[in-house]
Amino acid sequence: EDQVTQSPEALRLQEGESSSLNCSYTVSGLRGLFWYRQDPGKGPEFLFTLYSAGEEKEKERLKATLTKKESFLHITAPKPEDSATYLCAVRTNAGGTSYGKLTFGQGTILTVHP
Amino acid sequence: DGGITQSPKYLFRKEGQNVTLSCEQNLNHDAMYWYRQDPGQGLRLIYYSQIVNDFQKGDIAEGYSVSREKKESFPLTVTSAQKNPTAFYLCASSEDSVAGGEQFFGPGTRLTVL
Repeated sequence: EDQVTQSPEALRLQEGESSSLNCSYTVSGLRGLFWYRQDPGKGPEFLFTLYSAGEEKEKERLKATLTKKESFLHITAPKPEDSATYLCAVRTNAGGTSYGKLTFGQGTILTVHP
Repeated sequence: DGGITQSPKYLFRKEGQNVTLSCEQNLNHDAMYWYRQDPGQGLRLIYYSQIVNDFQKGDIAEGYSVSREKKESFPLTVTSAQKNPTAFYLCASSEDSVAGGEQFFGPGTRLTVL
C-alpha cells in the first residue's frame, strides 16, 4: 500500500529562520510528487511538481527537492505570510489502471512569527 | 478568469437528509475529483471522473454519489447512508488523469451535520 508521511506535524519558526519540511514516501511506480500550500478554510494551492530523483524546483523563498525515498521543501528566510499547512502528495499507478492516483500526506502546519 | 468554483461555502444538514455539493470548472479539464478532508488526516479520494458520463469510486465512496453529465460540472451528493459526513469537501480537476500533471483545487465546502 502506498504511504506518504510528512514531518514534523507542526513547525514554529521566527521570521528569517530557515528550515525544511520532509515528505517521505513508500510507493510503487512513482509518477510525480506534488507540493501544495493550504491556508485555513481554503482549498490547496499548487506549488511544485517533481518527477525524478535529483530534480529541484524553486519559487520565491521555497525550494523543493526529490530523492528516491523523500522530498524536502526548504524555506529560506521565511516571512509570516508563509504560515500555512504544506501538503505533499505522490502520484502512482492505481491497481494497474491508467488512472494516476494521488496519495496525500497529513500535512505540516508551519507558523512563522514576526 | 479560469478556475474551479464550489458552492455553497458552508452547508448544514439534518440527519437523514441528502445534500448536494456543487463543483464547476472552466479550465476545460477532462478529469475531476472529489476529496474529503478531516482534521489531522490527508485528503481522501471519494470519486473521480476521467471523462463525461464516466466516473469511478475512490477510497471512501460509501454513502456518496456523483454524476458527470457535462464536462465542466461534477456534483457530489452526500446521502443519509454516510455515517459521518461532517468534513471539509474539496473538488479538483486536471487536464487528464493519465498523463500526469497537477490537480487544481476549488475553495471547498464545509458540511456540518446538525
